[in-house]
Amino acid sequence: QKEVEQDPGPLSVPEGAIVSLNCTYSNSAFQYFMWYRQYSRKGPELLMYTYSSGNKEDGRFTAQVDKSSKYISLFIRDSQPSDSATYLCAMRDYGQNFVFGPGTRLSVLP
Amino acid sequence: SAVISQKPSRDICQRGTSLTIQCQVDSQVTMMFWYRQQPGQSLTLIATANQGSEATYESGFVIDKFPISRPNLTFSTLTVSNMSPEDSSIYLCSVTRDGGEPQHFGDGTRLSIL
Repeated sequence: QKEVEQDPGPLSVPEGAIVSLNCTYSNSAFQYFMWYRQYSRKGPELLMYTYSSGNKEDGRFTAQVDKSSKYISLFIRDSQPSDSATYLCAMRDYGQNFVFGPGTRLSVLP
Repeated sequence: SAVISQKPSRDICQRGTSLTIQCQVDSQVTMMFWYRQQPGQSLTLIATANQGSEATYESGFVIDKFPISRPNLTFSTLTVSNMSPEDSSIYLCSVTRDGGEPQHFGDGTRLSIL
């Protein structure tokens, strides 16, 4: 079993849809959780960063963490064509051990 | 968050040559990392660049092929040595500070080997 698994995608949705992106992990030592957005020909850009279980909201984005189920999600409301990118989940332990998911490619169609 | 500049942004190189990629940060950071990303794939960690000591390499990556320097807290280089077409990839630098902070990435170097 891989340390981090992510919905494989690709995912295509119409503009205005609610998007749900999901990752599961196996290592209970992971304490910090991140979502990155990567546009073509760019490096990953940090979108959301959270520590505790529960929800964290930033504009149209909501990150959800359930440590008991080892499951994290990113919700995008009112999706826009500019949200079309690859989304990577990532997590780390109390040290410097970072693990990235394989990424989900999202296309938002106008 | 830190601003990370990578140079060159892209290059096309001949088989058997070497290329050094630079990563400059606008503020001091604790950790600097080098990743490789094949098109459409996720990130593979090459090594962690340590200031004042040798880099820590991940399984499958060796210092002779990917020598790394970290002369101070804002700069690192990755050299891809004796390149072959299999080294064609995107190479990314990332940084983090202490205290549980996330990584921040540069825009990468797109490398093609002929």
